[in-house]
Amino acid sequence: EVQLVESGGGLVQPGRSLRLSCVASGFTFDDYAMHWVRQSPGKDLEWVSRITWDSGSVAYADSVRGRFTISRDNSKNSLYLQMNSLRVEDTALYYCVKGVRIQLWSGWYFDLWGRGTLVTVSS
Amino acid sequence: DIVMTQSPDSLAVSLGERATINCKSSQSVLYSSDNKNYLAWYQHKVGQPPKLLIYWASTRESGVPDRFSGSGSGTDFTLTISSLQAEDVAVYYCQQYYSTLQAFGQGTKVEIK
Repeated sequence: EVQLVESGGGLVQPGRSLRLSCVASGFTFDDYAMHWVRQSPGKDLEWVSRITWDSGSVAYADSVRGRFTISRDNSKNSLYLQMNSLRVEDTALYYCVKGVRIQLWSGWYFDLWGRGTLVTVSS
Repeated sequence: DIVMTQSPDSLAVSLGERATINCKSSQSVLYSSDNKNYLAWYQHKVGQPPKLLIYWASTRESGVPDRFSGSGSGTDFTLTISSLQAEDVAVYYCQQYYSTLQAFGQGTKVEIK
C-alpha cells in the first residue's frame, strides 16, 4: 500500500525540542523530494520544509528557518523534522508529503499525504 | 512571494447543483515555454489528509470523479463541482507551484444547503 505514516508529535513546552518522523511505503522513496506541511488549528495549510531526493538541497519557510532541520534516510525510507526552540505558534498538525516536480526550477505539487502528527506547544 | 487568494471563503450549495470556487494568484503562474499553469487543487475533509484533485490547473488526478474540473490561466483559476454530492463537503485549497516557495490559498469551505 502506498502510504506515509508520521510519528513523534506530542505536548512540549515552549523552547523545547521535538523530532518528527515519517516512514514511506509502496513507492520508490529515493526517487522523490519530500516535504513537511502543517496546519494550525483553524488556519490554512502552510508549507514548512522540503528536501530533495538525495538530500542535496533543503529549504524552509521563513517562520521556521534556523529552528527546524529536515533530513532523510533513504535506506530506511524515512523523513525527519528536528524542531528546536519551539514556539506556541508552531502548534499544528504536521503532514509528511510526497512532492512531484517537472521542471528543476519550479516548485512541487503534492500527490500523497500522511495522516499527520499533532504537535502542541504549551506551558 | 506569490500570494494565492480564494473566493468565496465559504459557500452552501444544494445537492446536485454546481459549486464554483475561484483562486487568484498575485502573479502569473503560467510558464510560457511549456504553456503550463503551475496550479493545483486539493480537497480536505475533516479528519483526513488533503487529497490532490487537479494539477496543471485542469488535469484530474487518477481516480478523481469527472464532476470535478479545473479551468483558468495566468492569474485566475476556477474549480467547479458540476453536481454536488454529500461526500464533497470539504475545504478546498488551491496551490501554486510556479515558485519553489509553493503557497496555498486560504481555503474555501463547501457545505450542503
